[in-house]
Amino acid sequence: SQKIEQNSEALNIQEGKTATLTCNYTNYSPAYLQWYRQDPGRGPVFLLLIRENEKEKRKERLKVTFDTTLKQSLFHITASQPADSATYLCALTGGGGGNKLTFGTGTQLKVEL
Amino acid sequence: NAGVTQTPKFQVLKTGQSMTLQCAQDMNHNSMYWYRQDPGMGLRLIYYSASEGTTDKGEVPNGYNVSRLNKREFSLRLESAAPSQTSVYFCASTQENRENTEAFFGQGTRLTVV
Repeated sequence: SQKIEQNSEALNIQEGKTATLTCNYTNYSPAYLQWYRQDPGRGPVFLLLIRENEKEKRKERLKVTFDTTLKQSLFHITASQPADSATYLCALTGGGGGNKLTFGTGTQLKVEL
Repeated sequence: NAGVTQTPKFQVLKTGQSMTLQCAQDMNHNSMYWYRQDPGMGLRLIYYSASEGTTDKGEVPNGYNVSRLNKREFSLRLESAAPSQTSVYFCASTQENRENTEAFFGQGTRLTVV
């Protein structure tokens, strides 16, 4: 069955450093990969989308890579700030799954002063 | 522009009771989704609707029914609530019937079944 894995352990980093989060998937050939941010008690909010034929995408301090050979996406936040503390979710869509949006379990990021 | 609106925000049910979670979007989106979120499990898809009049099962459909009343509204019904259905429920919508668009989420419904 399709499986999307994100590191379940919280990632703690110091302010100003680069945070790197990982999303791995199996039994899936998605056409698109998305990253969302979720704050406690709120619904996820869309951050970035990357297509299967794109290697990298950037938006301000965010960078996403997509390696369809490794079946992996990396999500980077540069110059991290305490306000970046949240849970980050990857989601896959397209390909064999159609337009159904399937999420990973999420990784909690804590940025400390 | 309200986006995706879910009601209620909180609900406590007794085992065996029924209830309907309501979701409405005002963005003219075709696709709508219901997810549940449990600690350590992430968002799991219950049902989705690619367009008005169509619904499909997701990963965890057992114990739930849905109704796509019109393009705006997608409701989730628990016919006989069980403690295992204690969770936070999120409704989401995406633009048209395309794969490459972002999902907009409601604020969630926190349901407790005792």
